[in-house]
Amino acid sequence: DQQVKQNSPSLSVQEGRISILNCDYTNSMFDYFLWYKKYPAEGPTFLISISSIKDKNEDGRFTVFLNKSAKHLSLHIVPSQPGDSAVYFCAASGGAASGTYKYIFGTGTRLKVLA
Amino acid sequence: EPEVTQTPSHQVTQMGQEVILRCVPISNHLYFYWYRQILGQKVEFLVSFYNNEISEKSEIFDDQFSVERPDGSNFTLKIRSTKLEDSAMYFCASSGLAGLQETQYFGPGTRLLVL
Repeated sequence: DQQVKQNSPSLSVQEGRISILNCDYTNSMFDYFLWYKKYPAEGPTFLISISSIKDKNEDGRFTVFLNKSAKHLSLHIVPSQPGDSAVYFCAASGGAASGTYKYIFGTGTRLKVLA
Repeated sequence: EPEVTQTPSHQVTQMGQEVILRCVPISNHLYFYWYRQILGQKVEFLVSFYNNEISEKSEIFDDQFSVERPDGSNFTLKIRSTKLEDSAMYFCASSGLAGLQETQYFGPGTRLLVL
């Protein structure tokens, strides 16, 4: 099941610079997308979400962009901080139109922000 | 800030034994979920629960698994006869109203090790 893919297993960024994490999906029925951050031995922590009717959502240092035609979303973190170092998962859901609310997760990208 | 809690944090069991993983969802939430993450793999959906019944389940959620909301606060996942391949982190999640694309909030997880 490769419906949601994160092709970069890891990313290193200097503190203060922009971190860009990418996610691709194949199912055009997905209508709700989220990013979660996860530290070792903890549960996924919600960061930001976006509905398919939007192409951008911003919350503080975090911005999610959605390109439906390319079936691609990205998470921008500006400026990056050492505390942002974690594994980032994108997730997608079909929502009411498809009658399913389960999340399909990507494999995660490990972000390391260097001080 | 309300959060999902899970007990125990770690569980070691012998193959063939029954285990019960417990979760206390966020108090005003109505939808409840179990996911699992086998080491090195994706977070995978197991089951969703609403109005005292299963609303959706994955192919992983076979007859060995069951869920229950025994009272107004707890939500449990039972594995009747554990197998080695059930070793994983199990995450409980809850959301308000799935029809409104409510975000799922995850607990810290229970690490299950089957020997």
